[in-house]
Amino acid sequence: EVVMTQSPATLSVSPGERATLSCRASQSVSSNLAWYQQKPGQAPRLLIYGASTRATGFPPRFSGSGSGTEFTLTISSLQSEDFAVYYCQQYNNWPPGAFGQGTKVEIK
Amino acid sequence: EVQLVESGGGLVQPGGSLRLSCAASGFTFSSYEMNWVRQAPGKGLEWVSYISSSGSTIYYADSVKGRFTISRDNAKNSLYLQMNSLRAEDTAVYYCAGEGSWFDPWGQGTLVTVSS
Repeated sequence: EVVMTQSPATLSVSPGERATLSCRASQSVSSNLAWYQQKPGQAPRLLIYGASTRATGFPPRFSGSGSGTEFTLTISSLQSEDFAVYYCQQYNNWPPGAFGQGTKVEIK
Repeated sequence: EVQLVESGGGLVQPGGSLRLSCAASGFTFSSYEMNWVRQAPGKGLEWVSYISSSGSTIYYADSVKGRFTISRDNAKNSLYLQMNSLRAEDTAVYYCAGEGSWFDPWGQGTLVTVSS
C-alpha cells in the first residue's frame, strides 16, 4: 500500500508571499497525484490532478509539479482566501486512494 | 449545477447501524464512479469505499470491510452506504465524492457520531 507523507504539517506565510508544500509517496505513483483544498467547515475541493493540471475555478497562482515520488504544490502569492488545509492523494495504486495527512497553511 | 447532497447521519450507539444516502443532480450520475470518503473530527481524509458506474465493481477500505456496504440506484440518482457494527472510531463526517481516480465533485458531508 502506498503511503503519502506531506510536509510541513503547518506552514505560516504572510499574504503575498510564496508557499511551497511537499508531498512524498512511498513508491512511484507516476503523475497520478491530486491536490485538494479544504477550508474550515467545508468539503474538500479538487485543486490539481495529474500532478500539474489545475481544476476548474482555481487561478494560475496555484501550480503543481513533480512525478514519481516527489511532488510540490506552489501558491505563488498567497491571498486571504488561500489559507486552508491542503491534501495530496495518489491514484496510481488504487484502491485505496491514499491521502497525505495534510498541510495547514496559516497566516503568519 | 453539479450537486451531491448527503443525508442520514446522526448519533448511534456502538454496535448499531446507520444508512447514509447521497443524492446527485446536475450531471449524468449513471456514468460516474462514486466513493465515500470520511474525516474524523480534527483529522485528515480517509477513503472508505468505491463503486463503479454500473455497480458491478466495489472496493472497501480494510477498516470497514465486512461491516459497510456501498450501493447505488442509478434510476434514483442516489448512492448509499449501509454501516453496521459501528464503532467509536467510525465517528466522522462522511462525504460522497465522484470519480474513480481523483475525487470530484464532493458533497457537503453528513456527520456520524458513534457513542453511548
